[in-house]
Amino acid sequence: AQKITQTQPGMFVQEKEAVTLDCTYDTSDQSYGLFWYKQPSSGEMIFLIYQGSYDEQNATEGRYSLNFQKARKSANLVISASQLGDSAMYFCAMREAYNNNDMRFGAGTRLTVKP
Amino acid sequence: EAQVTQNPRYLITVTGKKLTVTCSQNMNHEYMSWYRQDPGLGLRQIYYSMNVEVTDKGDVPEGYKVSRKEKRNFPLILESPSPNQTSLYFCASSSRTGNALGYEQYFGPGTRLTVT
Repeated sequence: AQKITQTQPGMFVQEKEAVTLDCTYDTSDQSYGLFWYKQPSSGEMIFLIYQGSYDEQNATEGRYSLNFQKARKSANLVISASQLGDSAMYFCAMREAYNNNDMRFGAGTRLTVKP
Repeated sequence: EAQVTQNPRYLITVTGKKLTVTCSQNMNHEYMSWYRQDPGLGLRQIYYSMNVEVTDKGDVPEGYKVSRKEKRNFPLILESPSPNQTSLYFCASSSRTGNALGYEQYFGPGTRLTVT
């Protein structure tokens, strides 16, 4: 069964606007961690933000914030004030406590920022 | 500079010709892993290693081998590559200290492999 679902293969956003990238996950574990990575066209994986399942507040890192809705099992990434350099592939990932050697990734969302 | 390096970055080979993709990290990390990335599937774990001489299968280990003889190196071996192993491969390492779940993985730059 798919652990991480990213339903938006591609997204467009106007420069300087905010954009939300969706991520839903499936786990029966109470303890888990959620991650977002950025992959620009150059191919490297860049860690953006982390949210633990027991964290009460939504994680924020600069222009990135994670809208964590535990009951709905969603962990959407919000990018504020989009920049042209934000154009990239974005991956949501999860690590579960019962198998914390593995990180499960979604299929990714390609974000294009328009000038 | 802390980094994970992979070599080669690009490789085109033929079916059946054994190849090795090297991975090295300079951060003294215990944990290393290999992923493959395919369109529409994201990244999937091939193998991982929790320390020297300790390796285990991930989700898609068929057709791959690994070894961990030294802490810094974790090569990926394709004994008899096939076209369905054409993919983008990432090595990653991390130090599993502190937060048991939130530890960050550091990824290498990727190796794009084409098997014809």
